[in-house]
Amino acid sequence: SQKIEQNSEALNIQEGKTATLTCNYTNYSPAYLQWYRQDPGRGPVFLLLIRENEKEKRKERLKVTFDTTLKQSLFHITASQPADSATYLCALDMRRAGNNRKLIWGLGTSLAVNP
Amino acid sequence: NAGVMQNPRHLVRRRGQEARLRCSPMKGHSHVYWYRQLPEEGLKFMVYLQKENIIDESGMPKERFSAEFPKEGPSILRIQQVVRGDSAAYFCASSASSGGASSEQFFGPGTRLTVL
Repeated sequence: SQKIEQNSEALNIQEGKTATLTCNYTNYSPAYLQWYRQDPGRGPVFLLLIRENEKEKRKERLKVTFDTTLKQSLFHITASQPADSATYLCALDMRRAGNNRKLIWGLGTSLAVNP
Repeated sequence: NAGVMQNPRHLVRRRGQEARLRCSPMKGHSHVYWYRQLPEEGLKFMVYLQKENIIDESGMPKERFSAEFPKEGPSILRIQQVVRGDSAAYFCASSASSGGASSEQFFGPGTRLTVL
């Protein structure tokens, strides 16, 4: 079955640096991969979606890459700010497991940006 | 345009009682998803509904749990005879009519259920 692995340890970086978070999957490549941000006590908030035929997607200071050979997505936050501190979740669709409606989720990586 | 609404935000029940969680999707959204989140387990899919239909309930326990999304009114996740292991945060999400995993999901603030 599909498994998703995100950095298990919290990531601490200095303000202004680039944060890089990883999302690895073990089985079939998804058709879509999504990244969300979650703050304590709140629901996840959608950030970016990347399709299997897209290598890279950008939105303001955010960049997502998708490498189906490595079975990996990287999520970058450039010029990081303390307000970027949160948990970041990646989610994959299950189309190739016969279900194009459902997402499966990683456990998330906690990011702390120090001023 | 109001976001996804969930109520109550916090719910305390004693073992054996019923818990009823409500979710109003974003205006114009006809797809609703329910998730459960525990700290060490992450977000777990429970059920996916469209108006008056359960599309996928593969993540929902067969016993004690049920969900509905009536033609009028909010979606309801119902847990009967709650046990301590049901304590968790339950999130509802909605997506636009195109639906599916190719669309972003908009999440509500969650209901934190505590079973004493």
